[in-house]
Amino acid sequence: DAGITQSPRYKITETGRQVTLMCHQTWSHSYMFWYRQDLGHGLRLIYYSAAADITDKGEVPDGYVVSRSKTENFPLTLESATRSQTSVYFCASSETDEKLFFGSGTQLSVL
Amino acid sequence: AQKITQTQPGMFVQEKEAVTLDCTYDTSDPSYGLFWYKQPSSGEMIFLIYQGSYDQQNATEGRYSLNFQKARKSANLVISASQLGDSAMYFCAMREWGYQKVTFGTGTKLQVIP
Repeated sequence: DAGITQSPRYKITETGRQVTLMCHQTWSHSYMFWYRQDLGHGLRLIYYSAAADITDKGEVPDGYVVSRSKTENFPLTLESATRSQTSVYFCASSETDEKLFFGSGTQLSVL
Repeated sequence: AQKITQTQPGMFVQEKEAVTLDCTYDTSDPSYGLFWYKQPSSGEMIFLIYQGSYDQQNATEGRYSLNFQKARKSANLVISASQLGDSAMYFCAMREWGYQKVTFGTGTKLQVIP
């Protein structure tokens, strides 16, 4: 099916563990984004990518790593998870100047 | 500095009444777009309406309209004839064409009362 999919939908992990959240889109959109959503903060941009092998930091990049070896995939890795990274994570994609299409989100709990 | 400001954390509106959700923005880029998204309790992000910085007329999409006042840097969402299904979080966002980043506000929780 065409669209943007995130996996897993829910994830529980422990502090210090590495976690990777996956994002896959089938539209061949140039741009992909990672946001985290926390109460009182709205959606905050973690990283975004303009094309394969081009990534840039957003507002809150510390503690996160991204890669984009293929246009359709944009995984987000928490190298050593902390409790403050407990959040809902949204991936989105778009073409230049266009609206964002969002995935369903990943609810991550770090214990 | 906050690029997108939504000053109303929560609002109530009577069913069938109109409601305005406020959004102000800050940018030095002359080319940008403004978006509104709805997030119901189920969590998905639903695109509602878009306004480009060069658009002469206010955008409208069904019961949604965007009151765009460029000089004041405001982009308020107006929902006419509110329905119970409009109860949700609403986010304003801006995309500056130069950077292509998309910045969101903190959101307004709208509750429609029967």
